[in-house]
Amino acid sequence: DAGVTQSPTHLIKTRGQQVTLRCSPKSGHDTVSWYQQALGQGPQFIFQYYEEEERQRGNFPDRFSGHQFPNYSSELNVNALLLGDSALYLCASSSLQGANEKLFFGSGTQLSVL
Amino acid sequence: GENVEQHPSTLSVQEGDSAVIKCTYSDSASNYFPWYKQELGKRPQLIIDIRSNVGEKKDQRIAVTLNKTAKHFSLHITETQPEDSAVYFCAALISSGSARQLTFGSGTQLTVLP
Repeated sequence: DAGVTQSPTHLIKTRGQQVTLRCSPKSGHDTVSWYQQALGQGPQFIFQYYEEEERQRGNFPDRFSGHQFPNYSSELNVNALLLGDSALYLCASSSLQGANEKLFFGSGTQLSVL
Repeated sequence: GENVEQHPSTLSVQEGDSAVIKCTYSDSASNYFPWYKQELGKRPQLIIDIRSNVGEKKDQRIAVTLNKTAKHFSLHITETQPEDSAVYFCAALISSGSARQLTFGSGTQLTVLP
């Protein structure tokens, strides 16, 4: 049973560029959430996708956008990269079936913006 | 939105002693409270969770308590071992229909001294 998988593991970009991160949820999960974790801080909620729609969004600018595909996998896109976007980007999956709130995290993508 | 505060930010204990980490939340709509352990360079791993209709939950050396009235919840680790050393995050979930948002505390660096 595969857990949550993310790609790539590491990425280096320059200011102003665009980046796309990918996530495959745990088998049986239908919901994907994205988090930004700066060094030494807790994960910050970016947004949540379910049934290919953004259902909830945190305090992130429109430069952060996403997508969920029919197979439940998801992408996070960040445009016009800033130095401050350097962080670990975590994907978490869960299931909205039943009263199951457990979120499981992928290993993350470490993004460095130079 | 929800705000989760976590204390202490660092905690050192002798092997075999107990460790307690405390969190408070602001939004009474939060109904699920997980705790994650994150080792350096790794993904956050769910170690225990509690729903708002339960006051206490225990799993071997780990226990969590919840005081809904005071909006407090705590993690208790007994008989600590060096492998318990990690950063621990508390979190609070607000769910409404298909929307879910998990808000994290700022983390506690636990060091268990041999």
